[in-house]
Amino acid sequence: NAGVTQTPKFQVLKTGQSMTLQCAQDMNHNSMYWYRQDPGMGLRLIYYSASEGTTDKGEVPNGYNVSRLNKREFSLRLESAAPSQTSVYFCASSESFWREHYEQYFGPGTRLTVT
Amino acid sequence: AQKVTQAQTEISVVEKEDVTLDCVYETRDTTYYLFWYKQPPSGELVFLIRRNSFDEQNEISGRYSWNFQKSTSSFNFTITASQVVDSAVYFCALMTDRGSTLGRLYFGRGTQLTVWP
Repeated sequence: NAGVTQTPKFQVLKTGQSMTLQCAQDMNHNSMYWYRQDPGMGLRLIYYSASEGTTDKGEVPNGYNVSRLNKREFSLRLESAAPSQTSVYFCASSESFWREHYEQYFGPGTRLTVT
Repeated sequence: AQKVTQAQTEISVVEKEDVTLDCVYETRDTTYYLFWYKQPPSGELVFLIRRNSFDEQNEISGRYSWNFQKSTSSFNFTITASQVVDSAVYFCALMTDRGSTLGRLYFGRGTQLTVWP
C-alpha cells in the first residue's frame, strides 16, 4: 500500500517547455487535488477532482491543466512553463469530497525548476 | 473569505521544553473543519488531526494536544516535552462547508519548529 505516489521527484525545464506531472493513489479515494508550495506561502490549491470524471479550478489554476484519467490517477500539465511556476507540487487524495471524510493524504512532492 | 494565520514564522526550543503553535482562522461559515499537518525535513505532509466546528472538545494524543476555541477563532497545537524528531514545519488549515469552496483546504503559511538537543 504505497498511498499517494508522484513522478517525477525532480524536474528542470526551460521556459516554454511542457511537461506532465503524474499522480496515483491506491487507497480507493474518490477525490484528488494538486497543490503548489512556495517559500513562505503555505500550500495553494491549483485544481481538484471531486470524483472521477470531474475537475474544477482551485485558487491558482492559470497556466495549468489537469486530467482525471481514472479513479486512481490525476495528472497536472504545464503547457508552456514559466519561471513563476518554479515550485514544489503536491498531489493529495481524500476518501470523499463530502461530509466526514475530508482528510487529505499527500504524496511526496515534485520539485520543479523552470529556468 | 477563508483565511488562516500562523503568526509564528519560526520557533526554536530546547529538547524537553513544551511549545505551542498558534493558529487563528477566519470564516463566515458556521460549519467548518480545522486541520494540522506536519512537514518534516524529508518534505512530505503528514496529517495530524481534524476538528469539526461543532466539537470544541480539546484533544490529546500522546505528547500532542490541541486547544480549539471558537470564541477566539483559534486552534492551537501544543507539543509537550519536545523532541528533536518534532523539528518540522507545521501547517494549520481550514475547510468550510460552503458549496463553492466545499472541499478546499486553506493553509496557513506554516511555522518552522526547530528542537535543539
